[in-house]
Amino acid sequence: GQSLEQPSEVTAVEGAIVQINCTYQTSGFYGLSWYQQHDGGAPTFLSYNGLDGLEETGRFSSFLSRSDSYGYLLLQELQMKDSASYFCAVRDEDNYGQNFVFGPGTRLSVLP
Amino acid sequence: DAGVIQSPRHEVTEMGQEVTLRCKPISGHDYLFWYRQTMMRGLELLIYFNNNVPIDDSGMPEDRFSAKMPNASFSTLKIQPSEPRDSAVYFCASTIDGLVAFFGQGTRLTVV
Repeated sequence: GQSLEQPSEVTAVEGAIVQINCTYQTSGFYGLSWYQQHDGGAPTFLSYNGLDGLEETGRFSSFLSRSDSYGYLLLQELQMKDSASYFCAVRDEDNYGQNFVFGPGTRLSVLP
Repeated sequence: DAGVIQSPRHEVTEMGQEVTLRCKPISGHDYLFWYRQTMMRGLELLIYFNNNVPIDDSGMPEDRFSAKMPNASFSTLKIQPSEPRDSAVYFCASTIDGLVAFFGQGTRLTVV
């Protein structure tokens, strides 16, 4: 089976740094992705980690440790527009093909 | 490319009626996914296609749900008969590299 765990909610203030953790259990594993979803919108891709280590894209960074089945999304210099839900997703290649399995999501609230 | 296009954006129907949701993936993307999102269950993978062939439909909740992909540029998700518990946002997504999933804007379905 496949399962991913994330905190349900995180709150931080503008300008702060926040880390959203994700742990996963999958039968196959080919990478961890992060998606952002604003209320009423669609999930949009933020970052991907196929190998261990840190990937940086502007204010956002993502980290993966395959040995620990763990990753995180780091958001720096928080802005009000960062208030959204954040999902980790596993690219899982099963016997049939490949698909994306999403975590339950973390709702980030950025306060002024 | 205009991205993944879904129609309709909103659908309100009466219990027992047939509902058809439509999706046009990004040209050249050979994987297409149908997801359902609810507050209680998050983003659930219903079914996915590779090169127009259904690969894994284990996420389809019941026989009332069916999906087709008659060609590379069009897919449908049909619910017949619809029930109130089917109310959710249904997303279609496509990918070419298995690394990034591009989502449509979703169809918000309300069954009364």
